[in-house]
Amino acid sequence: EAGVTQSPTHLIKTRGQQATLRCSPISGHTSVYWYQQALGLGLQFLLWYDEGEERNRGNFPPRFSGRQFPNYSSELNVNALELEDSALYLCASTGAYEQYFGPGTRLTVT
Amino acid sequence: RKEVEQDPGPFNVPEGATVAFNCTYSNSASQSFFWYRQDCRKEPKLLMSVYSSGNEDGRFTAQLNRASQYISLLIRDSKLSDSATYLCVAVGVTGGGNKLTFGTGTQLKVEL
Repeated sequence: EAGVTQSPTHLIKTRGQQATLRCSPISGHTSVYWYQQALGLGLQFLLWYDEGEERNRGNFPPRFSGRQFPNYSSELNVNALELEDSALYLCASTGAYEQYFGPGTRLTVT
Repeated sequence: RKEVEQDPGPFNVPEGATVAFNCTYSNSASQSFFWYRQDCRKEPKLLMSVYSSGNEDGRFTAQLNRASQYISLLIRDSKLSDSATYLCVAVGVTGGGNKLTFGTGTQLKVEL
């Protein structure tokens, strides 16, 4: 069974640009969570999508947004990139309570 | 106070040693708990769930103490390959559904 997949693996953008990150959950999972992990810091919850709806968001500005498609894959968009947005962005899909993570997208903003 | 707190370490232990990590959580309504392992620059991987009665998976034992609001992870006979960061997770139910709160992790280094 395929795990959670994310693309791209690496993304380099300049300040002010927009970034789009993609995630496909484990087959049969309908929920997708997005996290940001900056270097040396813990996982910070960004967004939760379930059945195509945004269910919850963490303490991030509105320039972090996303959506979930009918096939349950998801997209995270970050507008007006800032240097401090450089981080590993992780997507997870959920079983009952536990979460399974994708390999992440490493975003570098220069 | 952080919702989930862990000693960041690093814990440097010799191969074969027994090492234990604790993690405290502030939300008494948390329902489920997990330990994840994260290797450098990789994604977290689920290590084990934590049950009220305690549970064991090979060399790993997890315990939950609801009265004192902490969970623990014990690793026996440490291997070099156990070197990683160990994240504890508390799951609470909010109006927005299940909320997983991760600790910032405890770094373990197993040495020869």
